[in-house]
Amino acid sequence: DAGVTQSPTHLIKTRGQHVTLRCSPISGHKSVSWYQQVLGQGPQFIFQYYEKEERGRGNFPDRFSARQFPNYSSELNVNALLLGDSALYLCASSLGGTGQNLGQPQHFGDGTRLSIL
Amino acid sequence: QQPVQSPQAVILREGEDAVINCSSSKALYSVHWYRQKHGEAPVFLMILLKGGEQKGHEKISASFNEKKQQSSLYLTASQLSYSGTYFCGTVSGTYKYIFGTGTRLKVLA
Repeated sequence: DAGVTQSPTHLIKTRGQHVTLRCSPISGHKSVSWYQQVLGQGPQFIFQYYEKEERGRGNFPDRFSARQFPNYSSELNVNALLLGDSALYLCASSLGGTGQNLGQPQHFGDGTRLSIL
Repeated sequence: QQPVQSPQAVILREGEDAVINCSSSKALYSVHWYRQKHGEAPVFLMILLKGGEQKGHEKISASFNEKKQQSSLYLTASQLSYSGTYFCGTVSGTYKYIFGTGTRLKVLA
């Protein structure tokens, strides 16, 4: 079975531009989460979506937005890019449902490495 | 508040044991453990749900003390493949997930 897939793998943008990152969860998984990982640090939670609804949001500015589609795939959008947005963006999927975060493992994609010039 | 892990880094020889600790200032209802190799995505290891629960997977096991708000990951007879950064993770509120500060582990031949 296919794992979590993310696209693109790498991306180079300049300050002020916007970017859209895509994620396809494992078949049967209804929950998708997005994380930002800066080199040398742990992943920082950005969003969680379940059944197309936002369930959780981390401490990120409104320049970051996301959505989930009926097929459970997801997009992360970042507007007005800053140099500090350079990072590895990870998508993780899980089955979802009641108490999902407490007892369900997250399966991560390989990430999109975003570089801002 | 991000869970704090200790030690920050550890170097082992093959066959040696290691313990990684995860401590939270807030109540923990579950603890997740992940390993991330350099340049790769985090890989799920195990979840602990109940206070005092212990779990094991081959030579990697973990304990969770809900009252102390702590979890420990035990790696016995370490192998080269155990090298990587280990993260504990927990849930803040209902749906906000937080990773710990991370522990870099390197196993030498």
